[in-house]
Amino acid sequence: GEDVEQSLFLSVREGDSSVINCTYTDSSSTYLYWYKQEPGAGLQLLTYIFSNMDMKQDQRLTVLLNKKDKHLSLRIADTQTGDSAIYFCAESNGSQGNLIFGKGTKLSVKP
Amino acid sequence: DVKVTQSSRYLVKRTGEKVFLECVQDMDHENMFWYRQDPGLGLRLIYFSYDVKMKEKGDIPEGYSVSREKKERFSLILESASTNQTSMYLCASSLLGQGSTQYFGPGTRLTVL
Repeated sequence: GEDVEQSLFLSVREGDSSVINCTYTDSSSTYLYWYKQEPGAGLQLLTYIFSNMDMKQDQRLTVLLNKKDKHLSLRIADTQTGDSAIYFCAESNGSQGNLIFGKGTKLSVKP
Repeated sequence: DVKVTQSSRYLVKRTGEKVFLECVQDMDHENMFWYRQDPGLGLRLIYFSYDVKMKEKGDIPEGYSVSREKKERFSLILESASTNQTSMYLCASSLLGQGSTQYFGPGTRLTVL
């Protein structure tokens, strides 16, 4: 069945780059998403990439997609303490709009 | 801006009580979803609805039911709350169709004593 895998924890120093990785299994996924969840809050859409793209850049965020390996990554440049959160990778699944989420990667940014 | 609201941020109930969690979206979205989020397990889909009065089971529907009488409102019902239903409940909505972005509410943290 469909599955989305991500590592559970990542710790970086303020000012460094963070790279959060994700693998997925459904090769027919049209869109892949990154959501951010701050403590005690719901999920906030961070960015998404269409499956026919390799890369998408949005200010400090860079999404890389390797469709052959079914690997997605999110790079955050110049990571700040405000970037500390849980980051979820998700793939679209099915014609009705369901998403399959990974378990989330908790990013800790040390000053 | 899309707005998804949930009736309560925090809720404390007793075992055996009937619990209603309400979700409202203001963007005329066809799809609405209920997830629960537990540490180490990520988000798990309980139920979703793609139209008024339509519902589909997700991965973990046992112990829950839902109601969608109006397009903007999707209710999650715990008929008889149990302690293993203590969790964070997240509602989301999206347009119909593959690849539609889901927009989330702030979540309801439910504690069942």
